[in-house]
Amino acid sequence: AQTVTQSQPEMSVQEAETVTLSCTYDTSESDYYLFWYKQPPSRQMILVIRQEAYKQQNATENRFSVNFQKAAKSFSLKISDSQLGDAAMYFCAYMEGAQKLVFGQGTRLTINP
Amino acid sequence: NAGVTQTPKFRILKIGQSMTLQCTQDMNHNYMYWYRQDPGMGLKLIYYSVGAGITDKGEVPNGYNVSRSTTEDFPLRLELAAPSQTSVYFCASSYTLTGGNEQYFGPGTRLTVT
Repeated sequence: AQTVTQSQPEMSVQEAETVTLSCTYDTSESDYYLFWYKQPPSRQMILVIRQEAYKQQNATENRFSVNFQKAAKSFSLKISDSQLGDAAMYFCAYMEGAQKLVFGQGTRLTINP
Repeated sequence: NAGVTQTPKFRILKIGQSMTLQCTQDMNHNYMYWYRQDPGMGLKLIYYSVGAGITDKGEVPNGYNVSRSTTEDFPLRLELAAPSQTSVYFCASSYTLTGGNEQYFGPGTRLTVT
């Protein structure tokens, strides 16, 4: 079964600085999708960014970008110009057959003013 | 559109009781999912459905049952509740013809079994 590992249980960053959250995964598939979801204290799961494995170009969404290293099975999230509203749990997820998501354990991000 | 709605928001059950968690989506999505999130952990898939009348097990199906008689509704049934089922339950849906589509999540149901 595929697994997703987030090795940083907690991270903190100063407001307006840049932070990178790490994620590695294990799969024998060549075509798949990877996601980062944000979960603020409200508990709502919010999609941050999505990456298709067959696309070599790294996905970007405004201040959020990924570093996708397919051979290394690494998928990190970079948040630029961190804002107080970015404080949340961040989950890396792998999408396998039948569109099922496998989640990592999460990284709690704190933004220091 | 209301998106994905879940009821109730909170519930306390005694050991051995049963209950149904309701999930409804108004986006005409074909795929629906149930996940559970234990404290400090990521979400784990319980059951999923690729369309009305079709359901299948996920990673942690024991102690749960589902049905999908309509496109909109995907209830999760807990039989004989146990303390190990204390968790937050999320329902999600997606419209899937090709791969990789976003899953839209409901607000979750916090369940405590004592």
